[in-house]
Amino acid sequence: EVQLVESGGGLVQPGGSLRLSCATSGFTFSSYEINWVRQAPGKGLEWVSYVSVSGSITDYADSVKGRFTISRDNAKNSVYLQMNSLRAEDTAIYYCAREGTWQLLDYWGQGTRVTVSS
Amino acid sequence: SYVVTQPPSVSVAPGKTARITCGATNIGSKSVHWYQQKPGQAPVLVIYYDSDRPSGIPERFSGSNSGNTATLTISRVEAGDEADYYCQVWDRNDGHRVFGGGTKMTVL
Repeated sequence: EVQLVESGGGLVQPGGSLRLSCATSGFTFSSYEINWVRQAPGKGLEWVSYVSVSGSITDYADSVKGRFTISRDNAKNSVYLQMNSLRAEDTAIYYCAREGTWQLLDYWGQGTRVTVSS
Repeated sequence: SYVVTQPPSVSVAPGKTARITCGATNIGSKSVHWYQQKPGQAPVLVIYYDSDRPSGIPERFSGSNSGNTATLTISRVEAGDEADYYCQVWDRNDGHRVFGGGTKMTVL
């Protein structure tokens, strides 16, 4: 069974940092690209970041570029999202999702909640 | 950046057909994927490559894509179909994944 489990969320002050993790199982992790998608309270889905199978290619939404860094460890079947200089508008549930062909997101984790507030 | 527009809400009676649209310039040239999200749950892929269904998704769910509009059609709507629905495409110009704003479907 394919599983993605996010962790690392919590309450952080504006300007602070958090590192999210996405632990996976049930598939050949090193063969799949992974994305982070977030959802602010009461709002829609927003794509945040992408990492290639090797980790050598990454991409970011303009709203987080320069502040967030995505990485992966294929030996640990895990993806990470380092979030720095956090702002109130980064408050959201953060989901990791496996990417299939043509950039479809076929499996999602249950999400981890990030709250940026003083 | 590529902008994808969905109606904020649609309402449909049980047993009827719901159609949720996803509008964007020349979206017919892209692969469109659709996700269902129920309250408090993660999104679930219900249609991919415009019109294919993942295993486990009822045949009542179908999709089409042409010109400037992609459409998710749900036939014989059930109360359990009440959810938010999102379309998603890939913008090859900047490599970003793009979601529509989402449509809240209410079953009357």
